[in-house]
Amino acid sequence: DGGITQSPKYLFRKEGQNVTLSCEQNLNHDAMYWYRQDPGQGLRLIYYSQIVNDFQKGDIAEGYSVSREKKESFPLTVTSAQKNPTAFYLCASRGQYPLYEQYFGPGTRLTVT
Amino acid sequence: GESVGLHLPTLSVQEGDNSIINCAYSNSASDYFIWYKQESGKGPQFIIDIRSNMDKRQGQRVTVLLNKTVKHLSLQIAATQPGDSAVYFCAGRNYGQNFVFGPGTRLSVLP
Repeated sequence: DGGITQSPKYLFRKEGQNVTLSCEQNLNHDAMYWYRQDPGQGLRLIYYSQIVNDFQKGDIAEGYSVSREKKESFPLTVTSAQKNPTAFYLCASRGQYPLYEQYFGPGTRLTVT
Repeated sequence: GESVGLHLPTLSVQEGDNSIINCAYSNSASDYFIWYKQESGKGPQFIIDIRSNMDKRQGQRVTVLLNKTVKHLSLQIAATQPGDSAVYFCAGRNYGQNFVFGPGTRLSVLP
């Protein structure tokens, strides 16, 4: 059963703590993405990776970090430097030529208090 | 900057009627569009896509229309059902670049 998995579904953290969100895909996709979703707004790109061991900042990368050591995995760390970390985080991967369609995982809701 | 947006934040339709959700985009270089359905607390689900060399594409109960002249696309859902209640949003991509997402339209299906 192919797809994108994110864990955990819900995550609670105290302010000042770093937290890592997991994203795994078995679709054999090269490109992976992290988005943040806030109520009433479109998805905003945090980081993306086109290939293993390479990643680029998106529009709102400040306070976040990523790694891409394996093709299947693209974890996101929300650091204590992120001023407003409470949000719904979505991981996605992109298909191959010629379609390049983008599929999403189920999301992780992070609440920081 | 470039944007992708929907005309209405909410839409209510009667069960069995057709639904039309609209989206406008600003970048004429956009070459590929996707419509997603997102239910509460879940990740977006791919519904249908369309390339800029097409005007229309049909799926099961859904049709996407693309008007490049006015930079507008729409999603039509035939015979809307209660299970269609969700937030729908469009995404546009510019030749190999990343997608830009609209904020979404919440579709409510009335019994």
